[in-house]
Amino acid sequence: EIVLTQSPGTLSLSPGERGTLSCRASQSLNNNFLAWYQQKPGQAPRLLIYGASSRATGIPDRFSGSGSGTDFTLTISRLEPEDLAVYYCQQYVTSPRTFGQGTKLEIK
Amino acid sequence: QVQLQESGPGLVKPSETLSLTCSVSGGSISGYFWTWIRQPPGKRLEWIGFIYYTGSTDYNPSLKSRVTISVDTSKNQFSLKLSSVTAADTAVYYCARLGFCSNGACLADYWGQGTLVTVSS
Repeated sequence: EIVLTQSPGTLSLSPGERGTLSCRASQSLNNNFLAWYQQKPGQAPRLLIYGASSRATGIPDRFSGSGSGTDFTLTISRLEPEDLAVYYCQQYVTSPRTFGQGTKLEIK
Repeated sequence: QVQLQESGPGLVKPSETLSLTCSVSGGSISGYFWTWIRQPPGKRLEWIGFIYYTGSTDYNPSLKSRVTISVDTSKNQFSLKLSSVTAADTAVYYCARLGFCSNGACLADYWGQGTLVTVSS
């Protein structure tokens, strides 16, 4: 099973700032099969990024993904209050598909 | 607009079987993979398994001995059964469609709102 470790656990930033979230995999992810989801309080997760760097339909260009192999990053530029959420990475290279433990983004 | 709705008991006794159904509206269940994911309170998301509309399945090995996912295309529904539950199975259970496909792999694009299932006597 591939283990995903996210950092930091919590990120507290002000509106307009840039947020950088990290996800590290216990083994290399072929085809960069790494996705990022956003989960707002009381809601189901929403797909943001797939293939490590491609934005899903309707996702603002403030959200960008990068990385390859075992190290991946989600960057949120120009933070907005509505970005308050927990962000999860997920690998879909092998079964079982696994998730990171999440990064909680707090907006000051 | 595709919509998914989980239904089933919110309270299950230890050692019994958890049963949930996901009803799909606004689109056909045919042609897609469908999945169950759960989230214990304060913990990370956990993939339970998925089913193709033809009935082919894949389960998380950690749950495989206790899980059955089935599909009923005539009712546009799919279901989850988890046997011999314990308190560790207390979680919000989500159903979702694996409809966002790229490079031969599919991700969840539509989700249900989630339903909390508590295991307690």
